[in-house]
Amino acid sequence: ETGVTQSPTHLIKTRGQQVTLRCSSQSGHNTVSWYQQALGQGPQFIFQYYREEENGRGNFPPRFSGLQFPNYSSELNVNALELDDSALYLCAYKGKLGEETQYFGPGTRLLVL
Amino acid sequence: TQLLEQSPQFLSIQEGENLTVYCNSSSVFSSLQWYRQEPGEGPVLLVTVVTGGEVKKLKRLTFQFGDARKDSSLHITAAQPGDTGLYLCAGESPRDDKIIFGKGTRLHILP
Repeated sequence: ETGVTQSPTHLIKTRGQQVTLRCSSQSGHNTVSWYQQALGQGPQFIFQYYREEENGRGNFPPRFSGLQFPNYSSELNVNALELDDSALYLCAYKGKLGEETQYFGPGTRLLVL
Repeated sequence: TQLLEQSPQFLSIQEGENLTVYCNSSSVFSSLQWYRQEPGEGPVLLVTVVTGGEVKKLKRLTFQFGDARKDSSLHITAAQPGDTGLYLCAGESPRDDKIIFGKGTRLHILP
């Protein structure tokens, strides 16, 4: 039990639609990262937020955007969904200051038809 | 671009056997983490190694970080069906603190 929750657990959308995924931590850690994990692959880094500001981004197009709120919960928004966006979306919070451990949520499985 | 190569991709062995899986890169990492992930769940951290040559043990699991901090291995002694899962290694880049994952080793322990 990592104390990181994600919602929804599963989601089905059609191509061209928009989706918002949510993530929060019981411990209120201030650094959150989002990852995309396609079937049979390792997680791919999308971006990271620290104190409500994006401070790192992977190779994902601008239609992937995010937010972090004052309570450190976070959202991942994806516009103009494509079939290849079907994946497990994971968020992870970093541990205490100086601890580089990441604690992952259970993920949201997105299917784009 | 920093890459982590994990081998083997798939491994199926009998309960009680020993196994080693590998995580290799041409790049240096500040730290390296091993996770286990079960279907439909997020990765769960097993260990973090930071110092070159470091060895950490977690019950029947032994983790080693290479001297040059470019590679790591995970050895499991007397594997059990409960060890079944996807084992992921992830390295932290010393340039920008980003975490890079390998594709994982899918392990299946047969009872």
